[in-house]
Amino acid sequence: GEDVEQSLFLSVREGDSSVINCTYTDSSSTYLYWYKQEPGAGLQLLTYIFSNMDMKQDQRLTVLLNKKDKHLSLRIADTQTGDSAIYFCAESINDAGNMLTFGGGTRLMVKP
Amino acid sequence: ETGVTQSPTHLIKTRGQQVTLRCSSQSGHNTVSWYQQALGQGPQFIFQYYREEENGRGNFPPRFSGLQFPNYSSELNVNALELDDSALYLCASSDRVGTQYFGPGTRLLVL
Repeated sequence: GEDVEQSLFLSVREGDSSVINCTYTDSSSTYLYWYKQEPGAGLQLLTYIFSNMDMKQDQRLTVLLNKKDKHLSLRIADTQTGDSAIYFCAESINDAGNMLTFGGGTRLMVKP
Repeated sequence: ETGVTQSPTHLIKTRGQQVTLRCSSQSGHNTVSWYQQALGQGPQFIFQYYREEENGRGNFPPRFSGLQFPNYSSELNVNALELDDSALYLCASSDRVGTQYFGPGTRLLVL
C-alpha cells in the first residue's frame, strides 16, 4: 500500500535555506506535491513535479525527485518567518494526479 | 474566479448524530475530493466525485457518503457519528486531470 513519510520538525534561522525531505512508496505515482498549511487554515498548493522530472524550480522553491530511492525534497531559499508552517508532501494514487496520499507533515520553524 | 468554499466553518455534534458538510468547487472544476485531517496528522483521502458519480474511495466505512450536484458542488454526509470522526474535513477541486486546490475546511467536533 501507499505510505508517505516525513520528518516531524525542522528549525532554521531566517535567511538560511530549508530542506524538507519525504519518502514515498508508490513507484507508479504520476504527480508529487508539496502543500503548506498555516495554523487553522486549509492547504495551500506550493508546487508539484511530474514523475518523469528530476528537478523543478519555482522562485525560492526547488523540488528534487529521486525516483530510484523514492525520495522527494523541497528546498526553500532565503527562508523567512512567514514560511513557518506545516509542510506536507503527497503522492498521487491515480493517473489523473488528483487522489492523494499525504505524509504526516513537517513543522518548519523559522527563527529571526 | 472564486476559490473553493466550504460550510460551515465549525460544527459540534454528539455521538450517534448525522452531519452534512458542503463544498463549492473552484470555477471551472468538475472533480471534487474530500479528505479527513485528524489533529496532528496529514489529510486522508475519503472519496472523489466526478460528474456526479463516485470516482474513487479511500479506506472509510459506508457511513461516510457523498453527493455531487450538476453545478459540481458537493456534500459529505457522515452517519452515526463517532468520537474519532472529530477532525478537519477538507474539500478539494480540480479538473478531471491535475492539481487540486483545497478549501479552508470544516472543523467537526464530536462529543
